[in-house]
Amino acid sequence: EAGVAQSPRYKIIEKRQSVAFWCNPISGHATLYWYQQILGQGPKLLIQFQNNGVVDDSQLPKDRFSAERLKGVDSTLKIQPAKLEDSAVYLCASSSSLLSLSTDTQYFGPGTRLTVL
Amino acid sequence: AQSVTQPDIHITVSEGASLELRCNYSYGATPYLFWYVQSPGQGLQLLLKYFSGDTLVQGIKGFEAEFKRSQSSFNLRKPSVHWSDAAEYFCAVGAGLTGGGNKLTFGTGTQLKVEL
Repeated sequence: EAGVAQSPRYKIIEKRQSVAFWCNPISGHATLYWYQQILGQGPKLLIQFQNNGVVDDSQLPKDRFSAERLKGVDSTLKIQPAKLEDSAVYLCASSSSLLSLSTDTQYFGPGTRLTVL
Repeated sequence: AQSVTQPDIHITVSEGASLELRCNYSYGATPYLFWYVQSPGQGLQLLLKYFSGDTLVQGIKGFEAEFKRSQSSFNLRKPSVHWSDAAEYFCAVGAGLTGGGNKLTFGTGTQLKVEL
């Protein structure tokens, strides 16, 4: 079974530029998560999708960050314009269960390391 | 709101020695608890999870964790550490979401170094 795929793996941009990250979850997984992991910290949830609907985006900085999952499969996270403090690893995760939390395991991709200069 | 504290930022152990990584959580209800491991340049891999039942949970790679409600702790242990265990370890607490899925709140991580 293929894991969660993310691209690009690395990205360097200047501040005020825009950037987009792509994630393809494990086949059949209905739930998709985007996390931000700043150096020295644990991952922080930015947004969660259930199929193509948003379940939780309470920690997404909506003035500059946006995300979509139009067909309920792959997803794109965009930052426009980027700030220095956006430098981080952006992790995508997916899980399959809709009803049973006891079996809801999140599987993570390798992440995209963003450097904003 | 839920939170997780991992008091040890760095830990160094000798290969073959035992290991215990500490995790304390704050959550109003019965918590869902997780330990993940992250190797350099890699995503997070689930080691083990606790939802209910037996408070001693077995995971992959010889790891185990014990849930202690009275101490709000979920410490990770391994009897004999291997050099390949060097990585960063994250404890997380989960809360179910109305729309489905599990909202994870992670600790700041513990960096494990293994001396040969």
